[in-house]
Amino acid sequence: SYELTQPLSVSVALGQTARITCGGNNIGSKSVHWYQQKPGQAPVLVIYRDIYRPSGIPERFSGSASGNTATLTISTAQAGDEAVFYCQVWDSSTVVFGGGTKLTVL
Amino acid sequence: QVQLVQSGAEVKKPGASVKVSCKASGYTFTGFFMHWVRQAPGQGLEWMGWVNPNSGDTDYGQKFRGRVTMTRDTSINTAYMELTSLRSEDTAVYYCAKVIAGSVAFDIWGQGTMVTVSA
Repeated sequence: SYELTQPLSVSVALGQTARITCGGNNIGSKSVHWYQQKPGQAPVLVIYRDIYRPSGIPERFSGSASGNTATLTISTAQAGDEAVFYCQVWDSSTVVFGGGTKLTVL
Repeated sequence: QVQLVQSGAEVKKPGASVKVSCKASGYTFTGFFMHWVRQAPGQGLEWMGWVNPNSGDTDYGQKFRGRVTMTRDTSINTAYMELTSLRSEDTAVYYCAKVIAGSVAFDIWGQGTMVTVSA
């Protein structure tokens, strides 16, 4: 079965750029989606089909995917961005989630 | 506005069943597949399966086949997820999630339903 690998945690200084990676075999050939989940809340879609932002998501959130790695980039990180981020793909008629990355804004 | 509203928290004994509902509003219910995802306490997201609200067709994750049934009632724009033979490991928050047009990505999520399995 397909697997997605994310770092357990990423730290970023306030106002700097955070990058969260999602590794998977030839993930660049798939559509990658990203979710932000804050404590006690349902996940929120922040990037879909690698690079697209749903309405209401700040331009500070961007995505890319190539080869075996997809990346979620959060520029000018704010305290309110602290959350767990999950990547997700559709593979062999199955939804696959990464294990999640805890983003800490210092 | 587009939203999914789920039924309330449940406490069940091992071996029992639970049925969670998910009422959709603000969009054409039959136009988008509905998926179910669960999250055990302190853990990540785990996909369970989907129901096509238009046809009633379903598909389930391998782990849940034989124990889960997903249905829908188009007259009240509601999807259901029933899980049987509950065990302690099924203690989790269960979410319904609507797919975005053209992709299996989830743009709208229910608020979650906590299911606790305890003797």
